[in-house]
Amino acid sequence: DAGVIQSPRHEVTEMGQEVTLRCKPISGHDYLFWYRQTMMRGLELLIYFNNNVPIDDSGMPEDRFSAKMPNASFSTLKIQPSEPRDSAVYFCASSFRTSDYGYTFGSGTRLTVV
Amino acid sequence: KQEVTQIPAALSVPEGENLVLNCSFTDSAIYNLQWFRQDPGKGLTSLLLIQSSQREQTSGRLNASLDKSSGRSTLYIAASQPGDSATYLCAVIYVQGAQKLVFGQGTRLTINP
Repeated sequence: DAGVIQSPRHEVTEMGQEVTLRCKPISGHDYLFWYRQTMMRGLELLIYFNNNVPIDDSGMPEDRFSAKMPNASFSTLKIQPSEPRDSAVYFCASSFRTSDYGYTFGSGTRLTVV
Repeated sequence: KQEVTQIPAALSVPEGENLVLNCSFTDSAIYNLQWFRQDPGKGLTSLLLIQSSQREQTSGRLNASLDKSSGRSTLYIAASQPGDSATYLCAVIYVQGAQKLVFGQGTRLTINP
């Protein structure tokens, strides 16, 4: 398996623009997680899905953030409008029977909002 | 509050030394604990996963232990090498945490040749 695949690897955008981050989880995994990593706050869980259904979005910072999982093999995280404080590395992770097998992370998307 | 703490925040040792990284968690009711490695500008690579019923896991020069009663885990690295330089992250799935992985802030390890 190719692992968790994220795109793009790097994104530079201007303040106010819409940004869409993409994730393809490992086939067969039934959980998908979006994390954000910053120097100040470390790794924070934004939202997670189970069987394509959003379970907990309490970590989504504002209404400017939204996430979807239209099918088992694809998820998006959208920021609209983007702000400089959204600059961070965004990770997607997936798992199967999380309590038994843990998480597998993607390589991340480094977002810079100028 | 469900938290994970890692001490020290940074560690620098000469090549060849054996070393221990520490992780503590606030609630003994956990499903598992996972140690990750993160190289600068890269993603997270899973090193070891310890189930709540286990006491330790080993992979090559790495050994991770788990003591739920005291809320502690250690990652032991034997015969350290410059290639071991990275940030090591400890993360826990709490039983009351609804499948969420709670991370510590990490230990930045530097192995000096």
